[in-house]
Amino acid sequence: AQTVTQSQPEMSVQEAETVTLSCTYDTSENNYYLFWYKQPPSRQMILVIRQEAYKQQNATENRFSVNFQKAAKSFSLKISDSQLGDTAMYFCAFMKPPGGSEKLVFGKGTKLTVNP
Amino acid sequence: DAGVTQSPTHLIKTRGQHVTLRCSPISGHKSVSWYQQVLGQGPQFIFQYYEKEERGRGNFPDRFSARQFPNYSSELNVNALLLGDSALYLCASSLGVGTSGYNEQFFGPGTRLTVL
Repeated sequence: AQTVTQSQPEMSVQEAETVTLSCTYDTSENNYYLFWYKQPPSRQMILVIRQEAYKQQNATENRFSVNFQKAAKSFSLKISDSQLGDTAMYFCAFMKPPGGSEKLVFGKGTKLTVNP
Repeated sequence: DAGVTQSPTHLIKTRGQHVTLRCSPISGHKSVSWYQQVLGQGPQFIFQYYEKEERGRGNFPDRFSARQFPNYSSELNVNALLLGDSALYLCASSLGVGTSGYNEQFFGPGTRLTVL
């Protein structure tokens, strides 16, 4: 069974600075997807960024980028130029390749607070 | 276009009662997944339905059941409620189970269930 571990329950960062959230996972699969989701106090889960395991290039989406280390089974999220609206719970998630269930396996989350 | 909608927003039940939660996917989406998010934890996969058939089931007791209707909306039913069933129940929809490529899952705002 796949597991996802987020070792930082809470983090804080000053507005405009950079912060990195950590995630490790365990799987015997060779091909899979990894995700970072954001859940603001409004509760709506929003996809931040996605990484396919077969791609060596790290994914980027504007101010969000990942550091994907497949051998180490590590998948960290870097948020640059942090904004107040980035305050939220961030969840790392794993999914096996499509073709069967689209089950997402989530970590316990990291609560990020961006301070003015 | 409307996103994923869920009803009701909040619900209070007592132990032993039954509850039905509803989800309407994004127009054109044929897959619906259900997740349980206990306070302070990441979401846990309960079910996935695609084209009215169950495509995946998480590690939940038989008190939990679901179904998908011809219009692709879905219901999650929980019988004999326990205090531990108190949680945010999230619904996610996607285009469908992909045999190649990836279909993004879009989450609804959730139903907050409190069992007293």
